[in-house]
Amino acid sequence: DIQMTQSPSSVSASVGDRVTITCRASQGISSWLAWYQQKPGKAPKLLIYAASSLQSGVPSRFSGSGSGTDFTLTISSLQPEDFATYYCQQANSFPQITFGQGTRLEIK
Amino acid sequence: QVQLVQSGAEVKKPGASVKVSCKVSGYTLTELSMHWVRQAPGKGLEWMGGFDPEDGETIYAQKFQGRVTMTEDTSTDTAYMELSSLRSEDTAVYYCATTWGPVFPYGFDPWGQGTLVTVSS
Repeated sequence: DIQMTQSPSSVSASVGDRVTITCRASQGISSWLAWYQQKPGKAPKLLIYAASSLQSGVPSRFSGSGSGTDFTLTISSLQPEDFATYYCQQANSFPQITFGQGTRLEIK
Repeated sequence: QVQLVQSGAEVKKPGASVKVSCKVSGYTLTELSMHWVRQAPGKGLEWMGGFDPEDGETIYAQKFQGRVTMTEDTSTDTAYMELSSLRSEDTAVYYCATTWGPVFPYGFDPWGQGTLVTVSS
């Protein structure tokens, strides 16, 4: 099974900051990666797919990069509504799917 | 636009089974690859299984093999997830989620609203 490891597990930042979250796959997954945002009590929301493609309706301050085993999600200028938990997910072994453990983004 | 609406919260006793439904609107179920993901309280997302349209088979995560059954009723565009031999560790929010169109098979969008299953004696 492909394991996905996110870092950090939590991060504190301020409105306007640039934040980067990292996701590492236990083996190469090409660009078969997605990123989600989840707020308390809500279903996850797809932000990025194919490692760097922005899902329709998602603000352009979100961006994704990487291929192979190392990936990043960047929020260029944090907004108040961005404080949430973020998950990466691999689809290289579709339909077998694996999620990262999550990164909690908190207000400093 | 695809929308997924799940059945309501359930409370079950240990050893019982639960069956959660997920009604599709906007598209037909046959056009989608439906999956199920769960989230225990305060924990991360855990993929349980999903449909592979390439070979028409449903694949389950090894952890749930033998305890989970995912089915589809194409006449009503409703997907079902049944989990048996429930234990307290199965207390979680269960989500249906689909991958289709330009994001297939990279990611899931949309998701159902979630169904809380509580296992307690």
